[in-house]
Amino acid sequence: KNEVEQSPQNLTAQEGEFITINCSYSVGISALHWLQQHPGGGIVSLFMLSSGKKKHGRLIATINIQEKHSSLHITASHPRDSAVYICAVLVSNQFYFGTGTSLTVIP
Amino acid sequence: DTGVSQDPRHKITKRGQNVTFRCDPISEHNRLYWYRQTLGQGPEFLTYFQNEAQLEKSRLLSDRFSAERPKGSFSTLEIQRTEQGDSAMYLCASRPADGSSYNEQFFGPGTRLTVL
Repeated sequence: KNEVEQSPQNLTAQEGEFITINCSYSVGISALHWLQQHPGGGIVSLFMLSSGKKKHGRLIATINIQEKHSSLHITASHPRDSAVYICAVLVSNQFYFGTGTSLTVIP
Repeated sequence: DTGVSQDPRHKITKRGQNVTFRCDPISEHNRLYWYRQTLGQGPEFLTYFQNEAQLEKSRLLSDRFSAERPKGSFSTLEIQRTEQGDSAMYLCASRPADGSSYNEQFFGPGTRLTVL
């Protein structure tokens, strides 16, 4: 059983749509990390947060510690946003990862 | 500094051979992680170093796997007597050391291992 669950597993959207990716976890955490992985494997850090909300450009991440849930939102989606989005939780200096959400944005 | 680097980027080997991968973290980062990722899965934790000390090692990790970080800078991951099930992407990540849990990890490009 994975401590970190993401939904949906796959998502296809039209360019311009508002996108939400969800992450739920079952353990107590220090922080939660959202990552983006492009074809070919490179992983880029998007956000690390332990409370509230963070925004960077068209990306917004929120976390509710009591509900053990985080969301990643993409506003005005673009084909270059197509990637796998991975949620990871930090527990005692160790990260546990979800299986990722594969996003495809169609022009 | 250009980030975390890994070498080689690709490795093809025959079953039973030993392989060694290298990771060079961002220079001021004292925490270093090794992960394994297979197709369609998220990264799976293998081991964690703080400076030269190996503080955590996955219980799932076979004793064929060993990692070192002798001077607290670069790290090596060795797999002995490789098996086809070892085929995966091996990722390295580093984190700075000021103790804040906000310190995100930065990933290298990975080493893709194929065991024939």
